[in-house]
Amino acid sequence: DGGITQSPKYLFRKEGQNVTLSCEQNLNHDAMYWYRQDPGQGLRLIYYSQIVNDFQKGDIAEGYSVSREKKESFPLTVTSAQKNPTAFYLCASSYGQGGETQYFGPGTRLLVL
Amino acid sequence: AQSVTQPDIHITVSEGASLELRCNYSYGATPYLFWYVQSPGQGLQLLLKYFSGDTLVQGIKGFEAEFKRSQSSFNLRKPSVHWSDAAEYFCAVPKKGSSNTGKLIFGQGTTLQVKP
Repeated sequence: DGGITQSPKYLFRKEGQNVTLSCEQNLNHDAMYWYRQDPGQGLRLIYYSQIVNDFQKGDIAEGYSVSREKKESFPLTVTSAQKNPTAFYLCASSYGQGGETQYFGPGTRLLVL
Repeated sequence: AQSVTQPDIHITVSEGASLELRCNYSYGATPYLFWYVQSPGQGLQLLLKYFSGDTLVQGIKGFEAEFKRSQSSFNLRKPSVHWSDAAEYFCAVPKKGSSNTGKLIFGQGTTLQVKP
């Protein structure tokens, strides 16, 4: 079955620690996206990538980093510079053209210890 | 600035009653429009989308939405709500000026509660 997988479902971060969230898709989509979701704030775009080895900052990129070494994979690292990382993180993918539907993974909830 | 507004943060309806969730956007032209649904702790699922043509769009799970250009609205409707429809609903439009990236702007979301 085609789709997007995210792991882990829950992730705990200690002070000063970097953590990496995984996102994999087998939909053959060119574009991938990372969103942060906080209660009452909808979805905010962190980073997006239209093609392998290229990515762009979204609206709230500070404290986050990404890589896009393979078409199928777009991992997100939450660095120690992100002072308020507790949130629900959603990965999505699309063909990347205007108006195309984005398909979402099940999400990762990040909590700070 | 470009925006998507969902005026109702929280709506409660009785099971079997009709439902309308509001969405207003600012875009400056006729945009593509999307409605997504999110169950608690889950990702978003596409309910329906409007690209062009007929302004009344049918989606999954018995939902429909009507695009009204004059009102810059794309309201979501369902004639008879089921308890399983309790979820959060998001309206979205493409980010203007980024037609080749697929970027979307989302509304704040409307939480639907269904009373037995």
